[in-house]
Amino acid sequence: AQSVAQPEDQVNVAEGNPLTVKCTYSVSGNPYLFWYVQYPNRGLQFLLKYITGDNLVKGSYGFEAEFNKSQTSFHLKKPSALVSDSALYFCAVRDKTGAGSYQLTFGKGTKLSVIP
Amino acid sequence: EPEVTQTPSHQVTQMGQEVILRCVPISNHLYFYWYRQILGQKVEFLVSFYNNEISEKSEIFDDQFSVERPDGSNFTLKIRSTKLEDSAMYFCASSEGSRTDTQYFGPGTRLTVL
Repeated sequence: AQSVAQPEDQVNVAEGNPLTVKCTYSVSGNPYLFWYVQYPNRGLQFLLKYITGDNLVKGSYGFEAEFNKSQTSFHLKKPSALVSDSALYFCAVRDKTGAGSYQLTFGKGTKLSVIP
Repeated sequence: EPEVTQTPSHQVTQMGQEVILRCVPISNHLYFYWYRQILGQKVEFLVSFYNNEISEKSEIFDDQFSVERPDGSNFTLKIRSTKLEDSAMYFCASSEGSRTDTQYFGPGTRLTVL
């Protein structure tokens, strides 16, 4: 079975400071990893994904994430936070093995608050 | 930019009633999904649908639930006899094809069962 852990319910960061939202995963094989963002009363918006190749993945709105296989982590980062980045962030995983399995397993989400 | 749309945005129903939630996936996508998010909890997979049949479903997706693609554009989730615990935000998603493809989510339908 696959699972995702987001150890922080909330992350507070000052505007202009770097931000990190943590994610660790567990799969039986190799993972496909995703980050989504959810603004209030909105759906899930795709930010970035890791499939293979370079461990540092760049995505929308200046976000990036680093895949670390030994630590089974996929932390989301941004060099300089904006107030508009305040939202709920979800990490998700899909196992590469398991023929035909397309379901995403999500973490419980981390609320990011960027303080002006 | 193409996007997944869902209607209605909010549905209120009485326990035991049937509801149908509607979704229009992105037009060239081949895989369709339903997920739900109970307030304050994780987003949970319900079902995936490909080539006019269910390809995968979770334990949540019991006999009370069904999905259908009644025409070339809509994808629906039906709950036959709603329960209080079905109250949640229901998200539709679609993807182009392979397992590396991104799933794009709609804005969700908030279902409230009274």
